[in-house]
Formats: sequence, structure tokens, C-alpha cells
Amino acid sequence: GAVVSQHPSWVICKSGTSVKIECRSLDFQATTMFWYRQFPKQSLMLMATSNEGSKATYEQGVEKDKFLINHASLTLSTLTVTSAHPEDSSFYICSAPPGGSTDQPQHFGDGTRLSIL
Amino acid sequence: KQEVTQIPAALSVPEGENLVLNCSFTDSAIYNLQWFRQDPGKGLTSLLLIQSSQREQTSGRLNASLDKSSGRSTLYIAASQPGDSATYLCAVRWTGNQFYFGTGTSLTVIP
Repeated sequence: GAVVSQHPSWVICKSGTSVKIECRSLDFQATTMFWYRQFPKQSLMLMATSNEGSKATYEQGVEKDKFLINHASLTLSTLTVTSAHPEDSSFYICSAPPGGSTDQPQHFGDGTRLSIL
Repeated sequence: KQEVTQIPAALSVPEGENLVLNCSFTDSAIYNLQWFRQDPGKGLTSLLLIQSSQREQTSGRLNASLDKSSGRSTLYIAASQPGDSATYLCAVRWTGNQFYFGTGTSLTVIP
């Protein structure tokens, strides 16, 4: 079945550090990938839609200059949290529908737990 | 406003019981609905996807139903096992690409 790999799974770093999270589709091409954030005991909230070869689309309230998204190939999207602060600590998770079709079940990575000290 | 609600927030059942998890949504004009399982500290595992034209989907011991007119979906788990213990999330897609997630139901199956 379709597999989405996310790396790293856990990051602890100092305030002010920039952190890059990778999301890879292992056995299918993903023209579109989605980045979500989940705070403790809350729902997953969509942050942005990553589009291969073009700019990402950000949801309202998400700072595009803080959360940089690059979708340079059909199998890789990256999310960079720039100058991270403690309030950015959260669980970040990516997803991708196989072939970019959202009529197919979306498959999720295992997530990245980010802790900013 | 498009919202997804899951009740109950937590559920504890003895092994072997059949159980039903509920998901309700505010706008019946959905595109599709997907049920996921999330283990602690882990990502999401897709369980079932129901398109708006479908009434139910089945996979093994799982059955998901969809009633758009009442804004509800249920996930039925037959003969529950301790390995079923996890948080179950319901996600609804309306127009566009965004899935709206409920806050989940935390299930504990007691051996």
C-alpha cells in the first residue's frame, strides 16, 4: 500500500533554531501534499497545501514566512519552521493522496514531534 | 461554519464487545469522509474512506456508515480486541482540499 515517510520523528532544539521536516511518498507520486499541526488534545489543523513545482497554499492564520514549504519533486515536500519558538512546539504531520487525487484515501506520515526549549 | 464533532471523547469496553463511534458534521454537502486510527505519539492510519455517494464501507471487523442528510457517520467495530485501543479520528472533506478533523474518540479495550 501507499506509504508516506516523515523525518525526523522527534526534534528538541533551542529557541531561534530553524527546523526542517521532510515528507516523502515512497511508492507513489504526490503532486500535492498536506501539512497539519496538532496541539495536545486538539484536532489536526491543516496548515498548508504543498504543490509540486509551484507555491504552497497557506491556511488563514499560518505565517508563510515562518513555515516555509518546498515541494521540489513528486516525492518530497519539506516544511521548515524558521526561528522556532516554544509556541511552535507541536506535532507536525504530513499527508498525501496517491497521484494527487483526493478521491483516494489520504495516507499520513508518522508525524514529527517538535519541542522548542 | 464547517465543524466535525466526535462523541464520546473516550470509551472503555471489555474485550469482545461490539461498539459504535460517532461523528457528526455541520454541513451535509460533503465530498467524502475518512476514518483514521492514531496510536499514541504516532501518525494516522487510514481505516475507511466513504465517498458522498456511498452509504457504507466495510473492512474486516470495521464498518463505517454515512448519512449525509442527518450529518452523521458511525464507525462500528465488531468483536473488539485490546489491539484496537487507539484514538479514532473522523475527517470530513467539503470543497477544496482541506480535511476537517474531529477531536477523536479515545478507545480502550480491556482484556
